[in-house]
Amino acid sequence: EVQLVESGGGLVQPGGSLRLSCAASGFTFSSYWMSWVRQAPGKGLEWVANIKQDGSEKYYVDSVKGRFTISRDNAKNSLYLQMNSLRAEDTAVYYCARVGYDICMDVWGQGTTVTVSS
Amino acid sequence: SYVLTQPPSVSVAPGQTARITCGGNNIGSKSVHWYQQKPGQAPVLVVYDDSDRPSGIPERFSGSNSGNTATLTISRVEAGDEADYYCQVWDSSSDHPHVVFGGGTKLTVL
Repeated sequence: EVQLVESGGGLVQPGGSLRLSCAASGFTFSSYWMSWVRQAPGKGLEWVANIKQDGSEKYYVDSVKGRFTISRDNAKNSLYLQMNSLRAEDTAVYYCARVGYDICMDVWGQGTTVTVSS
Repeated sequence: SYVLTQPPSVSVAPGQTARITCGGNNIGSKSVHWYQQKPGQAPVLVVYDDSDRPSGIPERFSGSNSGNTATLTISRVEAGDEADYYCQVWDSSSDHPHVVFGGGTKLTVL
């Protein structure tokens, strides 16, 4: 079964850091681009970042550039999101997703919740 | 940056046809994907590349894309189709390619 499982969410103070992880199984992880997508409470979906199969290309939404870093470990079938200088507006459910044909997101994890608050 | 515009809400009676639009500048030149999200759940891909369906998605779900509007059509709507629907494209037109989502449309089954 193709599966993505996120972890690492929690409550963090403004200015703090958090590292999210996403464990992939059931498919050849190293063959796919991967994404992080977030959803603030009561709001729509917002793309955060993409990473190429070998990690050589990374793209970010402007609001997280310089603060968030997407990475992957193909040997561990894992995707990561290092989040620094967190702000209240980063509060959201964070989903990892597999990037499929024509940059669609064809498999999603269940999400992990990040709350930035003092 | 590229903007996708969806109506906030669409209402339809059971058994009827729902059409959810996604507007964007020359969106017909891009591949459009659609997601369904039910409360408390992760999104699910229901249409990709304008009009293709992933395995397991009912044939009632179909898509089209031309000019400045893409459309998700749900035929013979059921109560279980009530959800938020999002369109999405990949905008590679700038130096910083990025994924763009529409604002989402809440489908209400009357």
